[in-house]
Amino acid sequence: DIQMTQSPSSLSASVGDRVTITCRASQSISIYLNWYQQKPGKAPNLLIYAASSLQSGVPSRFRGSGSGTDFTLTISSLQPEDFATYYCQQSYITPSITFGQGTRLEIK
Amino acid sequence: EVQLVDSGGGLVKPGGSLRLSCAASGFTFSSYGMNWVRQAPGKGLEWVSSISSSSSHIYYADSVKGRFTISRDNAKNSLFLQMNSLRAEDTAVYYCARVFEFRGPVDYWGQGTLVTVSS
Repeated sequence: DIQMTQSPSSLSASVGDRVTITCRASQSISIYLNWYQQKPGKAPNLLIYAASSLQSGVPSRFRGSGSGTDFTLTISSLQPEDFATYYCQQSYITPSITFGQGTRLEIK
Repeated sequence: EVQLVDSGGGLVKPGGSLRLSCAASGFTFSSYGMNWVRQAPGKGLEWVSSISSSSSHIYYADSVKGRFTISRDNAKNSLFLQMNSLRAEDTAVYYCARVFEFRGPVDYWGQGTLVTVSS
């Protein structure tokens, strides 16, 4: 199985800050990397697919980049509604998709 | 509008069984592969099982192989997960999830249904 490792596990930031979350795969996954946002008590919501493609309806302040084993999710200017947990997920090896452990983004 | 509605969760004793359902609407259900993904309380996301659009390909995580059975009824736009020999570690919210395409993301999720395995 491919292991996905996110860093940091948690992060405190303020409204308006720029934040970056990283995700590393245990082997090359080309661009088959997706990012999700999850709020408490809710299902995950797709933000970015294929490493850098913005899902329809997702604000442009969310940006994904990377290929191979190293990927990043950047939020350019944090808004109050962005405080949530973020997960990366590889879809290179299917169907056994695997997720990172999550990054909890909290208000400073 | 795409909708996935999960149901069937509840409290069950260790060794017991439960059948989860997912009702799909707003898209051509028979054209998409579907997954079950679970999330234990306070933990991350774990893939459980996948079924192809025609049910010809079925896969399970090692943690549930031999105990869980995934199935679908394309005529009724429904996905199922039969869970037998349940263990405490199966306690989680179970999500029905649509796969956009081969090597694509999960683009739609159900709201989740909570399964609690406890005596």
